[in-house]
Formats: sequence, C-alpha cells, structure tokens
Amino acid sequence: ETGVTQTPRHLVMGMTNKKSLKCEQHLGHNAMYWYKQSAKKPLELMFVYSLEERVENNSVPSRFSPECPNSSHLFLHLHTLQPEDSALYLCASSQDQGYEQYFGPGTRLTVT
Amino acid sequence: EDQVTQSPEALRLQEGESSSLNCSYTVSGLRGLFWYRQDPGKGPEFLFTLYSAGEEKEKERLKATLTKKESFLHITAPKPEDSATYLCAVRTDNFNKFYFGSGTKLNVKP
Repeated sequence: ETGVTQTPRHLVMGMTNKKSLKCEQHLGHNAMYWYKQSAKKPLELMFVYSLEERVENNSVPSRFSPECPNSSHLFLHLHTLQPEDSALYLCASSQDQGYEQYFGPGTRLTVT
Repeated sequence: EDQVTQSPEALRLQEGESSSLNCSYTVSGLRGLFWYRQDPGKGPEFLFTLYSAGEEKEKERLKATLTKKESFLHITAPKPEDSATYLCAVRTDNFNKFYFGSGTKLNVKP
C-alpha cells in the first residue's frame, strides 16, 4: 500500500448506528487530518493530530470522535449521526503541521 | 474574518485554449498557499505550494503565481485530461488554521 488509504470507501448507516472510519498513511508523516466535504461547500477541517496528539477541534459535534493510536493510523468514530452529516470524509497527512497535505480517496457516508 | 474565494466556479475550455483560475484570500497572515487538483470520487491531489508574493511554480501545463492578495493557476494549452476541480487552500499565522476555497470545476473539451 502506498500513500494514504481509507476504509470503507462507502458507508450507509442509520441514525442510531455506531461505525468507525479508518485511515492509514504510509508516508512517514507526523500530522494527520480529518476533513468533511459536502456538495457545493469548501472542505471543512474537522480535526488535526500532530505526533498523535490532538491539536485542533474545529467546533465539531461530539457525535464525531477521533482517535489517533499512532502516527500512521487515524480513526473517526461515528454515533447517532444526522442526515446532514452525509458527506465525503477525507483523511490527509503531512510531514509536519503546515506542510502540504496528502489526501486519501475518502469515505462516502450516507446517513439514513 | 479569514476567507478564501475561488473564481470562476466553473470554466469550459476548448482543447488548447489557455486560461487562468483565480484564488483570492483575506487572512490575518499568510503562511502558505496550496493548489490541489480533485478528480470525481477521489481525494485532492497536491500540486503546488507558494509562500511569498512574486513566487511562481510550474508543472507541465500548469503555472501558479502569488501576489499579496491572490493566486492564479494558469493553464497553457489544456488537454481533456486536465479536466478536474482545482482547489486552493491557505495556511494562516494560526498554525492550525487551514482554509479551502470552494474550487473551480474545469472542463476541457477535445
């Protein structure tokens, strides 16, 4: 595997479900990010981790819970989501904070 | 308020017809401006980083330039495979703040 991988690629979940998104980077980077991309809106930065420590939480609802067990892996735990949370969720990594980011292919999430 | 605006929202070109995409920004302190390309169903792909006014970067048919208020992505003699959405993003003085524009969707017809 090379670059940044994300699983699953597609996810449909009900509002009462609990699921997790997984991201893995094979680039030796120290920073990882979660973004939300909705139609007709700019990418929204959700969380930033640097050296496995969360450094930014951009007013994201608590139904989204990130986890970074090591510098290569990042998870986004989801519970009791709303239909408006349906979007493409992108993971990215960078050498250090502030450098160019490399993105995974995203998880297309649909909340029913 | 920090803001990034891209124009036009969509652009249709004939193959070989050169043009430019604009990214204007209003931020408290620019620490870097980034250009990305995004194909449908994929994550953004990094193209360029620009750090200071007057800086230019080139890659194949693409050339990015930066002034104190905006950046341009010039596309010379585009080909159909250049069709994609082009995104710009800025990093500000606040190290953790990273803002993306809404993108320009480019369609190059053969």
